[in-house]
Amino acid sequence: AAGVIQSPRHLIKEKRETATLKCYPIPRHDTVYWYQQGPGQDPQFLISFYEKMQSDKGSIPDRFSAQQFSDYHSELNMSSLELGDSALYFCASSSRSSYNEQFFGPGTRLTVL
Amino acid sequence: AQKVTQAQTEISVVEKEDVTLDCVYETRDTTYYLFWYKQPPSGELVFLIRRNSFDEQNEISGRYSWNFQKSTSSFNFTITASQVVDSAVYFCALSEGGTGRRALTFGSGTRLQVQP
Repeated sequence: AAGVIQSPRHLIKEKRETATLKCYPIPRHDTVYWYQQGPGQDPQFLISFYEKMQSDKGSIPDRFSAQQFSDYHSELNMSSLELGDSALYFCASSSRSSYNEQFFGPGTRLTVL
Repeated sequence: AQKVTQAQTEISVVEKEDVTLDCVYETRDTTYYLFWYKQPPSGELVFLIRRNSFDEQNEISGRYSWNFQKSTSSFNFTITASQVVDSAVYFCALSEGGTGRRALTFGSGTRLQVQP
């Protein structure tokens, strides 16, 4: 069965650079979520999209933005990167039929040097 | 506001022991969903179970079992006859609302180490 795809899987950036993370949800899933997991921490919700519109917003810094495109893939754009942005970024997707069951991608590990 | 508490930071057991991971949650909603995820050292989040607030039936899946008690706001997870491959961080999570599309609030996780 198709799963959530995230790219890249690993990313190394310097401070003050920008990064773009991509997420391809499971086909026919209409909702995408982004989570950030710092070292030794639990995943924290950043933002979600339903049918290409922002649905909910969590603790997403102003330096980050995200969108969902017409093909339902989503991108998380991160600017002015800081050392504290080093984390595992998860994308998850869900559908009406899977109510609240979010299927997670493998994550993108971002390291900011 | 919703909250999930996993008081056990780390548990170490010897293979074949039974182990229970505790999860206590707080929510004002009458409709909510509870989850358990496993995060092995490789980092991915593996879905284990979902339970909605109207279904208090306990569930067993192989060596795994879950005990949901609304009266104590707990959703505990038991691994019977633990194995080394069970070593991972386990997260309990909560999602409010019945319409779907709500973010998950995770507990801080319990690191389980199963020694051979």
